[in-house]
Amino acid sequence: RKEVEQDPGPFNVPEGATVAFNCTYSNSASQSFFWYRQDCRKEPKLLMSVYSSGNEDGRFTAQLNRASQYISLLIRDSKLSDSATYLCVVNGRSGNTPLVFGKGTRLSVIA
Amino acid sequence: DGGITQSPKYLFRKEGQNVTLSCEQNLNHDAMYWYRQDPGQGLRLIYYSQIVNDFQKGDIAEGYSVSREKKESFPLTVTSAQKNPTAFYLCASSAGQGTGELFFGEGSRLTVL
Repeated sequence: RKEVEQDPGPFNVPEGATVAFNCTYSNSASQSFFWYRQDCRKEPKLLMSVYSSGNEDGRFTAQLNRASQYISLLIRDSKLSDSATYLCVVNGRSGNTPLVFGKGTRLSVIA
Repeated sequence: DGGITQSPKYLFRKEGQNVTLSCEQNLNHDAMYWYRQDPGQGLRLIYYSQIVNDFQKGDIAEGYSVSREKKESFPLTVTSAQKNPTAFYLCASSAGQGTGELFFGEGSRLTVL
């Protein structure tokens, strides 16, 4: 099982749609979880951290399911500007090792 | 403004030449990282450093070298031993060691002719 797995997509959705991405991770001891956004040919930028209790930031909601070892990202009322690749990021094999990135899920929001 | 600066942004080199990519940060972060990204792929870790004068290999260190003589600087050398060096190289830093948010530079795009 890969350390961090994501559905690569692409997810093509109309404006205003709700879209959800899942990401599974293999290390049950992982403590830190993030969603990053990467625009084409640009550097990744932090979208949101994922907390055990789940967290929401405007149209974005992130949730963590430790039992099943997956995290999710929900985007409501999609905008054209949400088109990007969304990277799932988890801390690695032990607590002190660098973060591990999934390959990303590509989202295209269509007018 | 605090941040990470990578240079050059675009670089072309001939096969067999070494090239050094610069990464400087003024965030006072202890940890710095180099990632490589190929088209349609995720980020793969090349090297990382959690403290000055110390660094560790990542998943794809072969053909690369680094140094960490100063806290704010973490240059990456792509040597002629790297078989497929054409890629997008990203430098990042974090305050924590493996658990904190990563801050990225704008990246360096290397093309081998």
